[in-house]
Amino acid sequence: QKEVEQDPGPLSVPEGAIVSLNCTYSNSAFQYFMWYRQYSRKGPELLMYTYSSGNKEDGRFTAQVDKSSKYISLFIRDSQPSDSATYLCAMSAGTGRRALTFGSGTRLQVQP
Amino acid sequence: DTAVSQTPKYLVTQMGNDKSIKCEQNLGHDTMYWYKQDSKKFLKIMFSYNNKELIINETVPNRFSPKSPDKAHLNLHINSLELGDSAVYFCASSQGLGGNQPQHFGDGTRLSIL
Repeated sequence: QKEVEQDPGPLSVPEGAIVSLNCTYSNSAFQYFMWYRQYSRKGPELLMYTYSSGNKEDGRFTAQVDKSSKYISLFIRDSQPSDSATYLCAMSAGTGRRALTFGSGTRLQVQP
Repeated sequence: DTAVSQTPKYLVTQMGNDKSIKCEQNLGHDTMYWYKQDSKKFLKIMFSYNNKELIINETVPNRFSPKSPDKAHLNLHINSLELGDSAVYFCASSQGLGGNQPQHFGDGTRLSIL
């Protein structure tokens, strides 16, 4: 079993829909959570960064962390065709010589 | 002005050859990384360097050798290329060391082994 699980999709939604992307994880030591967006033939770019549990909102994007359930989510409101990309969750136990552990990504397609 | 740049973008070569990929970051970051992304988009850490010191060295064949001449540059040399090395290799950098640091990625080097 992988440390971080993410449904690969593809997830296809109509323009304007609310999108929910999720990751589950097994390591209870994880406390830093990130979402990256990766367009085709590009590198991942940081979208959201949260520490510990709770919500964080940035424009149309909301990140939620539920540490008790070991579950994180990214919500996209009013989705646009330009949101079509692969979304990768990433997480870490913290500082020091620790690497990020990535999910395998969910491919999202927003249909105009 | 590109923050993390990798060269070349594409690399097509034969099995058994030796090749290098270069990475440069102009963000003033202290830590740089190499990742391998397979066909299923899974990103796996290979190496990380902090101020030219090797910090993370995951279970990677010793045919892969990173080199950091200064903290703005991290290169990856691969000897005796094998079919299984075909993947996209990403360089990344972060302000400091640690998994709490957001990482900035280059656009990848697509390596195809014939």
